[in-house]
Amino acid sequence: AQSVTQLDSQVPVFEEAPVELRCNYSSSVSVYLFWYVQYPNQGLQLLLKYLSGSTLVESINGFEAEFNKSQTSFHLRKPSVHISDTAEYFCAVSWRGGSNYKLTFGKGTLLTVNP
Amino acid sequence: GAGVSQSPSNKVTEKGKDVELRCDPISGHTALYWYRQSLGQGLEFLIYFQGNSAPDKSGLPSDRFSAERTGGSVSTLTIQRTQQEDSAVYLCASSKQIGSGNTIYFGEGSWLTVV
Repeated sequence: AQSVTQLDSQVPVFEEAPVELRCNYSSSVSVYLFWYVQYPNQGLQLLLKYLSGSTLVESINGFEAEFNKSQTSFHLRKPSVHISDTAEYFCAVSWRGGSNYKLTFGKGTLLTVNP
Repeated sequence: GAGVSQSPSNKVTEKGKDVELRCDPISGHTALYWYRQSLGQGLEFLIYFQGNSAPDKSGLPSDRFSAERTGGSVSTLTIQRTQQEDSAVYLCASSKQIGSGNTIYFGEGSWLTVV
């Protein structure tokens, strides 16, 4: 079975500060990795994903995440956050191969960016 | 439609009543998922449909929960004899094709409150 741990339930930061949202997973098989974002009063939307190739993946709004197989981590980072980045962020994994196509999510990290 | 559509957006029901939640996936998407989002609990997988294959019902929490997908498109999640612990946001999602690396697109959810 696979599981996802998001180590911080809440992360408050000031605008223009750097941020890291931590995600660790456990799985007996290879996985695909995702970060989803949920802005206030909106549905979830994909932020970025790692499927294969370069272990560093980027989103269009300045976030990046790095797949670290040895540490089974997929931490999300941004060098300088904006007020508009305030949202809940969910890390998720799915099983590479086989017939199990569901996403397993962490419990989420609420990022609050203060002026 | 342009995105995953869910109805109703909000539902308040009395304990013991049955409720039906509807999901209209993105046109052409063959995979459809239901998740439940409770405060502080992240996203909990409920059920997954893929084309004409048997659904993966492994996440349904009890036999009061059921779902069907008619004609490979619209899906209905039914909760019988609702309990207060069923109060949550029920999220529907769809993806274009089979394969665990595919992006899953979420609707905005149906907020269920059992009183």
